[in-house]
Amino acid sequence: SQKIEQNSEALNIQEGKTATLTCNYTNYSPAYLQWYRQDPGRGPVFLLLIRENEKEKRKERLKVTFDTTLKQSLFHITASQPADSATYLCALEGRNYQLIWGAGTKLIIKP
Amino acid sequence: GAVVSQHPSWVICKSGTSVKIECRSLDFQATTMFWYRQFPKQSLMLMATSNEGSKATYEQGVEKDKFLINHASLTLSTLTVTSAHPEDSSFYICSAWGGRGPGYEQYFGPGTRLTVT
Repeated sequence: SQKIEQNSEALNIQEGKTATLTCNYTNYSPAYLQWYRQDPGRGPVFLLLIRENEKEKRKERLKVTFDTTLKQSLFHITASQPADSATYLCALEGRNYQLIWGAGTKLIIKP
Repeated sequence: GAVVSQHPSWVICKSGTSVKIECRSLDFQATTMFWYRQFPKQSLMLMATSNEGSKATYEQGVEKDKFLINHASLTLSTLTVTSAHPEDSSFYICSAWGGRGPGYEQYFGPGTRLTVT
C-alpha cells in the first residue's frame, strides 16, 4: 500500500538557520506533492505544490524539491524564525483527488 | 487563498447524543469536500469524500450510519456524529476543493474539537 514517511521526531533549529524537512514515499508515483503547515488545534494551511516534472519550487523563504527517482521531497525554510515553529505535513495526491498524508514533522525554531 | 469555515469550533456532548458539524466554503464553490479526523500527534485520517448532490464515499472502516454526511449545496457540507461515544472524541477537519482538476490544493477549515463525556 502507499506509504508516506516524515521524520516523527521534532526538529530543533536555531533561529536564522535553514530548516530542512524530509518526506519519503513508497509504492506510489504521484503527479503532485503538497506541503502544508499545521498549528496546534488548527486545520492545515497550504504552502506549496510541486509537480512531478518540476525539480524545485520556491515561495519567499520556502523551497521544495521533488526527486521522483529517490521518491523524496525536501522542504526548506531559510532564515528561520520562531514564528515558523509548527508541524509541517506533506501530502500526495491520490485517486479521486484525495490527499494521502504523512504524519508530519514538528519544527521548533529556537530564538 | 480561499476561506473555509467550520462550526462549531468546539463542542462537548454527552454520550448517546448526536452532534452536527458544518463546513462552509465562503468565497468559492466546492464541488468536493473531504472530512478528516485527527487524533493527537497523528496524521489526518480521511473519513469520507463528499460531492455536492450525491452520496458521500466513505473510507474503509468508517461507519456511514454513524457519521452522516450531507453535501446539500456547493458551499455547505455537514457531518453528523450520531449516538456519539467517548471514543468519537477527536479533532474533525473538513477541506474543500474547487474541482478544477488534479494538482490543486485543498482549503481546510479550522477544525472542530469534539469531546464526548
